Amino acid sequence: QKEVEQDPGPLSVPEGAIVSLNCTYSNSAFQYFMWYRQYSRKGPELLMYTYSSGNKEDGRFTAQVDKSSKYISLFIRDSQPSDSATYLCAILLMDTGRRALTFGSGTRLQVQP
Amino acid sequence: DGGITQSPKYLFRKEGQNVTLSCEQNLNHDAMYWYRQDPGQGLRLIYYSQIVNDFQKGDIAEGYSVSREKKESFPLTVTSAQKNPTAFYLCASSARTGVFSYEQYFGPGTRLTVT
Repeated sequence: QKEVEQDPGPLSVPEGAIVSLNCTYSNSAFQYFMWYRQYSRKGPELLMYTYSSGNKEDGRFTAQVDKSSKYISLFIRDSQPSDSATYLCAILLMDTGRRALTFGSGTRLQVQP
Repeated sequence: DGGITQSPKYLFRKEGQNVTLSCEQNLNHDAMYWYRQDPGQGLRLIYYSQIVNDFQKGDIAEGYSVSREKKESFPLTVTSAQKNPTAFYLCASSARTGVFSYEQYFGPGTRLTVT
């Protein structure tokens, strides 16, 4: 079983739709939860991070963490064609020896105009 | 502008040749990382370095080597021992300590093709 599971998609939605992207993880010791956006042939860029259960909102984006279920989500409201990209969840295990991210496989999102 | 640069953007090599990928950052970050990305597999950690002159193997270090002689630079060598070297390689950096230490910033990547 992978440490972080993510549906690869592709997910195709019309412009203006609400998008829900999800990941599950297996290690309860994970402490920080992040979402990266990656455009084709580019490096990932950090969208949002959170470390506690609950919701965190930033503009059209909301990150949600449920530690009891080991489930994280990213919601995009009023989706735009410019949101078309691959979205990667990433989880950080904050032990002293390794502060590197464990990534999901990414979900490819296509927003149709 | 502060950021991470990787060069070249595209790299082609013949099988059996070693190749070195460049990664430079001017963010004054202590920690640097190398990831490999294959289609449908997300990013996998190759090597990371928390401080100059020190580095650790990640999950898929076999066939790769690194050095960290300067804070700004973390080159990755893909050796002939790496069985499937064709991939998209991403370098990242982060502050080692402090509240922002979990934020990793990525470079634009190098696409390596070995034939």
